[in-house]
Amino acid sequence: NAGVTQTPKFRILKIGQSMTLQCTQDMNHNYMYWYRQDPGMGLKLIYYSVGAGITDKGEVPNGYNVSRSTTEDFPLRLELAAPSQTSVYFCASSYSFQYNEQFFGPGTRLTVL
Amino acid sequence: KNEVEQSPQNLTAQEGEFITINCSYSVGISALHWLQQHPGGGIVSLFMLSSGKKKHGRLIATINIQEKHSSLHITASHPRDSAVYICAVTPRAYSGAGSYQLTFGKGTKLSVIP
Repeated sequence: NAGVTQTPKFRILKIGQSMTLQCTQDMNHNYMYWYRQDPGMGLKLIYYSVGAGITDKGEVPNGYNVSRSTTEDFPLRLELAAPSQTSVYFCASSYSFQYNEQFFGPGTRLTVL
Repeated sequence: KNEVEQSPQNLTAQEGEFITINCSYSVGISALHWLQQHPGGGIVSLFMLSSGKKKHGRLIATINIQEKHSSLHITASHPRDSAVYICAVTPRAYSGAGSYQLTFGKGTKLSVIP
């Protein structure tokens, strides 16, 4: 099992550009999450999904969009990138929310200049 | 609002020392997580616990639900234990949209010197 994989590992964007961060898991987990991690701050939830076709906003959704067409994939779309979106992005998945640990991907380091 | 506080923020230890990292939270929870993040690396789940104590190798996690407090202990610390340790909680009561989120502490940065 590869677990949770993310691409790319690093990316530099110019202000106003768009991109998609890819996330795939092979554990057949229903729940998937996107977090951002800023220096000195705790992880913050951007969006989550409880199954294919079902997504919802987390704590900091502005400037992002997601989709979940399959159980395995949960891409995060950045539209009109801004410097405030410079961060490290982690995708995670779990079998359930309340009773199971979350498995994290390796992260994507994004810089917006 | 649920807050998760960790202490200390930074910790430097000599190899072989016994290490304790503390986590306090403010609301009822169904589970508490300890995560490990190596410099420049990904995040790994170490423990998820809702009561008592769990042990894995040299790592021990305890939780006191009544006192809303958890500790992570590392016995016989080693330089490879150098990492950021993150405490997170699953809130007990959740319902409706936007509720599926853990609350994370800011992390404790541990450096173990040979």
